[in-house]
Amino acid sequence: GAGVSQSPRYKVAKRGQDVALRCDPISGHVSLFWYQQALGQGPEFLTYFQNEAQLDKSGLPSDRFFAERPEGSVSTLKIQRTQQEDSAVYLCASSPGPMWGYTFGSGTRLTVV
Amino acid sequence: SQQGEEDPQALSIQEGENATMNCSYKTSINNLQWYRQNSGRGLVHLILIRSNEREKHSGRLRVTLDTSKKSSSLLITASRAADTASYFCATDEIQAGTALIFGKGTTLSVSS
Repeated sequence: GAGVSQSPRYKVAKRGQDVALRCDPISGHVSLFWYQQALGQGPEFLTYFQNEAQLDKSGLPSDRFFAERPEGSVSTLKIQRTQQEDSAVYLCASSPGPMWGYTFGSGTRLTVV
Repeated sequence: SQQGEEDPQALSIQEGENATMNCSYKTSINNLQWYRQNSGRGLVHLILIRSNEREKHSGRLRVTLDTSKKSSSLLITASRAADTASYFCATDEIQAGTALIFGKGTTLSVSS
């Protein structure tokens, strides 16, 4: 596609509910990144894929967070047993590879009530 | 954790004025990038400057990089109301296989 597509655009979840956030990167982009952005803050790194391999998941805040990219294209970020502190915008970005800029999606705004 | 620190946190100027934002970082880098984010939207890549470059231009944007001081600046000349947004610097650490680390951003308001 022409850009990075994220869905849903907005998600309201009850505390304790599981959620799945989807990212469709630009076709052919090898690298895919997930970031979490709190209001008024910069994006915080969560995890990074190169093709289907998850090379870095050091930013995932807890074992309730899980990401996958099984075929090296679409990625899903799953959050189990959501908590109020998980409320944030989740941004996905893709890139052709190192030394290139990232193309970001519009994000998924998650609100946990 | 956030590597870059932008300065100032907020900047308000009139249309036609120049806006300068600064970024400091902590570790050795491959490149430094600047992004813009309009309210409620994703980030848009503006410019990438490699560690062996000192200055780069793109339209009304001018970026400088001083690796000895671990700092960068973004200058927007002849600002427009449409430049109102948050601006973030992001660093690509020299260690292979890492993702960009973003600063907290500078919020720019340009009034007409």
